Amino acid sequence: DIVMTQSPDSLAVSLGERATIHCKSSQNILFTSDNTNYLAWYQQRPGQPPKLLIYLGSRRQSGVPDRFSGSGSGTDFTLTISSLRAEDVAVYYCQQYYNAPLTFGGGTRVEIK
Amino acid sequence: EVKLVESGGALVQPGGSLRLSCAASGFSFNKLWMTWVRQAPGKGLEWVANINEDGSEENYVASVEGRFTISRDNAKNSLYLQMNVLRVEDTAVYYCARRGDDFDLWGQGTLVSVSS
Repeated sequence: DIVMTQSPDSLAVSLGERATIHCKSSQNILFTSDNTNYLAWYQQRPGQPPKLLIYLGSRRQSGVPDRFSGSGSGTDFTLTISSLRAEDVAVYYCQQYYNAPLTFGGGTRVEIK
Repeated sequence: EVKLVESGGALVQPGGSLRLSCAASGFSFNKLWMTWVRQAPGKGLEWVANINEDGSEENYVASVEGRFTISRDNAKNSLYLQMNVLRVEDTAVYYCARRGDDFDLWGQGTLVSVSS
């Protein structure tokens, strides 16, 4: 199974500042034939189901604010919130869909400093 | 409105069975893979199972293989999860999600508690 490791477990960021979350896969999740990373990022606000933010490593889901961006390739990935807003307080998860079983990272909790 | 609504969660004893349902609306259900994901209380997300468009292909996480069965009824726009021989560690909120790889639509979830 591909293990997804997120860091940090939690971080506190001031409003308007940048938040950076890292995700590392235990195996390469870049599909070389189309140069696509099979990685997604989700936001889960308290008491809510997860919401898809980013798919294929860096493609923003429709309706997601452009302050959210995904980057990285192969085994190392990053989710960046460029300017934190109060409504971004949530737990963020990465997920690989390169092969089954599909696996999630352990989550990163983002709070306001 | 595009939505997924789960139902069927309950308190059940270890070894018992439960069937979860997910009603889909507002999109072409019969053209998409569908997925179940669960979240134990205070824990992270765990993919459970997915099923292809016509129900001919199913995949499961190892911990539920042989105990859980995913199915669908495209005529009713519904997804199901039959859960047998339930264990305490199956306690979680179970989410129905659209698509089989990344999940672009989620229901609100239904709580399954396994306890004696």
